[in-house]
This record gives sequence, structure tokens and C-alpha cells, in this order.
Amino acid sequence: AQSVAQPEDQVNVAEGNPLTVKCTYSVSGNPYLFWYVQYPNRGLQFLLKYITGDNLVKGSYGFEAEFNKSQTSFHLKKPSALVSDSALYFCAVRDFAFSGGYNKLIFGAGTRLAVHP
Amino acid sequence: SQTIHQWPATLVQPVGSPLSLECTVEGTSNPNLYWYRQAAGRGLQLLFYSVGIGQISSEVPQNLSASRPQDRQFILSSKKLLLSDSGFYLCAWSQGAGGTDEQYFGPGTRLTVT
Repeated sequence: AQSVAQPEDQVNVAEGNPLTVKCTYSVSGNPYLFWYVQYPNRGLQFLLKYITGDNLVKGSYGFEAEFNKSQTSFHLKKPSALVSDSALYFCAVRDFAFSGGYNKLIFGAGTRLAVHP
Repeated sequence: SQTIHQWPATLVQPVGSPLSLECTVEGTSNPNLYWYRQAAGRGLQLLFYSVGIGQISSEVPQNLSASRPQDRQFILSSKKLLLSDSGFYLCAWSQGAGGTDEQYFGPGTRLTVT
């Protein structure tokens, strides 16, 4: 079965320090992977995606993610965290096993990032 | 550019009352449309998706229904709300067949059933 896991409920980091939000996946074949961010009482915003090509994907707001096929991971990173990065982050993977007529995404449970001044 | 609207932004309804939440998308045609529910500010539960006008598929059996009367309009309804229907409802769209996979979300509706 296709699945995605975010092993940390919450990540705490000091402003200015690098941040990593972890994501691992389990799919058959090559994965399509996505990261989203959700600020309080708002919808999810698309940050970046990996389909193929360079393992390091750059996205919005200075975020990047590294695809690691051997570790089946797609961790979200940022070199220097801002207080304004505090939000809920979701990893997602396309479910190629689904045949319902659209490109179904499976979302992780979310990781809350808290950046402290 | 494409935009997605949801209304109302917040709603407080008594148990047993009807519900109608609306979602519209601008700047694209033939989108796939989705309704999600998010409980307690965490995981997303896909409720309904639609690949075309009048075509609705339900992911989980529940007290809710969805309709797509126009290409870029998606409505979530209930005849009688339950306490368990409280939550944050998100509408999303993605490109249709042959398009890219990412979904784009609306601002959400916070529903409180009292």
C-alpha cells in the first residue's frame, strides 16, 4: 500500500538555526512527493514537489527538500528558520495504485514547526 | 492566475440543521475538485472528489453529500448536522486528466455544530 509518514508531531527550532521536517514514504515505483504548509485557520499552501531529476528541490519561502531514494525520505529543509515559518507542515505522495480517475494524493499527519525567537 | 474561494469562512449551526458550503474556482477549466475535513488542526480526511460536472465520488460514508452543478463550483451539504460534523472544511482543485498532480486549497470554512 502507498503511504507517507511524518515521524515527528512537533519540531522546535531557534530562529536563525537550520530546520528539518522529516518525511518518509512507501510506494511501488518512482514516487511523486509534495510538501505543503498550513498557517493557523488557513488552507494548505503548496511549497514544492519532486517528480524526477535533481534530488534537491527548491520551493517557496526559501524552503527546499531532499529526495533520498535509498532511505525513502523526502525531508523539508531551510538553512535559517524564521519565527514566521511556524506552521503545520504536510508531506504528501501520489497514490499510483488508485484508479478513480484522478491523481490521488496521500497526506501525512502533519508536523507542527515552532520557531522560537 | 487561478484562485479558489470558499464561503462562509466560519459557521455555527445547531445539531439537526442543514448545511451548505460553497467552493468556486476561477482561472481554470475542467478542474478536479475535492472536499477535505480537518479535525483538531491535524490530518486531512478526503470526503468527496469530482472529475466533472455531476460526477461525485465519496471516500467515506457519512452524513454529508456533495454536488457539482457547474464546472468550477463544488458544494458540500448536509440535511441534518451532527456534533461530529464540526471541523475545518477545505476545498481544493487540481488540473484535470493529464495535468500536474499538486492540489491547491481554498481558505477553508470553520464549522462548529452546537
